[in-house]
Amino acid sequence: AQSVSQHNHHVILSEAASLELGCNYSYGGTVNLFWYVQYPGQHLQLLLKYFSGDPLVKGIKGFEAEFIKSKFSFNLRKPSVQWSDTAEYFCASQPGRRALTFGSGTRLQVQP
Amino acid sequence: AAGVIQSPRHLIKEKRETATLKCYPIPRHDTVYWYQQGPGQDPQFLISFYEKMQSDKGSIPDRFSAQQFSDYHSELNMSSLELGDSALYFCASTISGVNEQFFGPGTRLTVL
Repeated sequence: AQSVSQHNHHVILSEAASLELGCNYSYGGTVNLFWYVQYPGQHLQLLLKYFSGDPLVKGIKGFEAEFIKSKFSFNLRKPSVQWSDTAEYFCASQPGRRALTFGSGTRLQVQP
Repeated sequence: AAGVIQSPRHLIKEKRETATLKCYPIPRHDTVYWYQQGPGQDPQFLISFYEKMQSDKGSIPDRFSAQQFSDYHSELNMSSLELGDSALYFCASTISGVNEQFFGPGTRLTVL
């Protein structure tokens, strides 16, 4: 069975700091990868996705992620976080067109 | 643009009662996924439907059942509710052949 690991469970940063959240997936075949953000009390919103092609993908709100196949990784980055980025971030993998498998999430707290 | 609609948004039930959650996919989307997100947990895949047929099954308890109707909306029926069923239930929809899933706002179920 596939799995997704997010090693950072809780990250606290000051505004303007750079962010990198780790994500590793286990599926060995072709896989689609996603990062979702969930603001408190709200539903999942797609930040960015990787299906194929350029391994560096850019998403909304200044986020980007890099797919490194050799490392089974899809880390999320943002050069300068804002207080409004405080939320929970989920990495997810999808083999083919099947259901998503989510990581355990990373709670990001940005201090003003 | 139209989004995924879920109803009700909040639901409070007693133990051993039944509950029905509804999901209305984005128009022309033919595939629906159900996910359960317990408090502080990552979303877990329950079940999915494509063209009114069950397409995949995840960690859905036997007490739960679901179906997709001719208008593509889906209902998740939950019986003999337990305290542990308290969670946020997300529905996501997509068009067959497209990998991205679009999430609804979720139904927050509280079992007392």
